[in-house]
Amino acid sequence: NAGVTQTPKFQVLKTGQSMTLQCAQDMNHEYMSWYRQDPGMGLRLIHYSVGAGITDQGEVPNGYNVSRSTTEDFPLRLLSAAPSQTSVYFCASTPSLASIGKNIQYFGAGTRLSVL
Amino acid sequence: GENVEQHPSTLSVQEGDSAVIKCTYSDSASNYFPWYKQELGKGPQLIIDIRSNVGEKKDQRIAVTLNKTAKHFSLHITETQPEDSAVYFCAASSTGANSKLTFGKGITLSVRP
Repeated sequence: NAGVTQTPKFQVLKTGQSMTLQCAQDMNHEYMSWYRQDPGMGLRLIHYSVGAGITDQGEVPNGYNVSRSTTEDFPLRLLSAAPSQTSVYFCASTPSLASIGKNIQYFGAGTRLSVL
Repeated sequence: GENVEQHPSTLSVQEGDSAVIKCTYSDSASNYFPWYKQELGKGPQLIIDIRSNVGEKKDQRIAVTLNKTAKHFSLHITETQPEDSAVYFCAASSTGANSKLTFGKGITLSVRP
């Protein structure tokens, strides 16, 4: 049981490049989410999914796309990277939407992204 | 929406002393308040949480208190150790179909040996 796995751990992009941050969980959790962490800003919700085939926007969704074709995977796509997207990205999962107020969220180790 | 604020942004204590980190929230519908610890290079991990039907919860050296009337909750760490040095996030959430966990900005706790 690996928990929440994020790849890659580090990435450097040039402005305008695209890439996908991978997130996978092996706990059969319905609810998955992406956060970005910036100095002095805490954790801000980008997108979330309450189950396969269902996604929704969080607090800061602009510039990011997500999809949820399986329960296990929740990739985050940057279509045209910008320097403002330089950040540390965390994926998290919890058993269900109803679990947010009842249960813990499990976080991955993060992806540190730099956009030059 | 919910707004969670943490004060102070940094805290330095001597090993063995106690540390208290305070958070305030704005949404009276929030009823779940977790605390996460983030060590360098790692993702946040839950260390303790409290629900609105209790005022205090303890787990060994850590405790959390909640004042729903004043809309604030605090993390208390006693007998601090160097390994307690980390970033601590408080968060708040309601339950139901539109639940989202809103995090504070985090506080960096340094425990001096």
